[in-house]
Amino acid sequence: QKEVEQNSGPLSVPEGAIASLNCTYSDRGSQSFFWYRQYSGKSPELIMFIYSNGDKEDGRFTAQLNKASQYVSLLIRDSQPSDSATYLCAVSGGTSYDKVIFGPGTSLSVIP
Amino acid sequence: ETGVTQTPRHLVMGMTNKKSLKCEQHLGHNAMYWYKQSAKKPLELMFVYNFKEQTENNSVPSRFSPECPNSSHLFLHLHTLQPEDSALYLCASSQPLGAGAQTQYFGPGTRLLVL
Repeated sequence: QKEVEQNSGPLSVPEGAIASLNCTYSDRGSQSFFWYRQYSGKSPELIMFIYSNGDKEDGRFTAQLNKASQYVSLLIRDSQPSDSATYLCAVSGGTSYDKVIFGPGTSLSVIP
Repeated sequence: ETGVTQTPRHLVMGMTNKKSLKCEQHLGHNAMYWYKQSAKKPLELMFVYNFKEQTENNSVPSRFSPECPNSSHLFLHLHTLQPEDSALYLCASSQPLGAGAQTQYFGPGTRLLVL
């Protein structure tokens, strides 16, 4: 079983819609969860991190964490073409403690 | 200069060449990382340094040799590489390990092509 799984996509949404990106992880003891955005040919940049169950909002972005279901998601409201990128989910804590495990990423395309 | 910088940004080398990648962080961090990102594949952690000490070598071939002279600088020495080593090499830094999971900040990467 892969440690961090994401749908590879591509996920296509129309401009202005809500984009929903999902991530599941295998280590039940994981404590910290990160979402990175990576534009083509560029390095990953941190969008959000979340530690507690529930929702965390930052502008148009909302991270949702459900530790019981081992599931973390990222919602992007009012999607813009500039949001088109690959979104990487990263998880740490649990048996890996400090080690951060990245998922394969989901490619998002926002259609004007 | 702020953040994490990497040089060179692009590198083309033959299989018999020796080259080095350089990473420098200006964030006051004490942990530094090398990752490899190949096309259509997830990020692969290669090496981790915490306070200049290597804490992880993720089964990386010996043709990749890291060096961390201080907490701000990290090198990746390359020799006798193979064409399959062509990839984007990313450096990242974070607060020290041992204090829980850390947000990693990435440099722009070095795009490496091995001929």
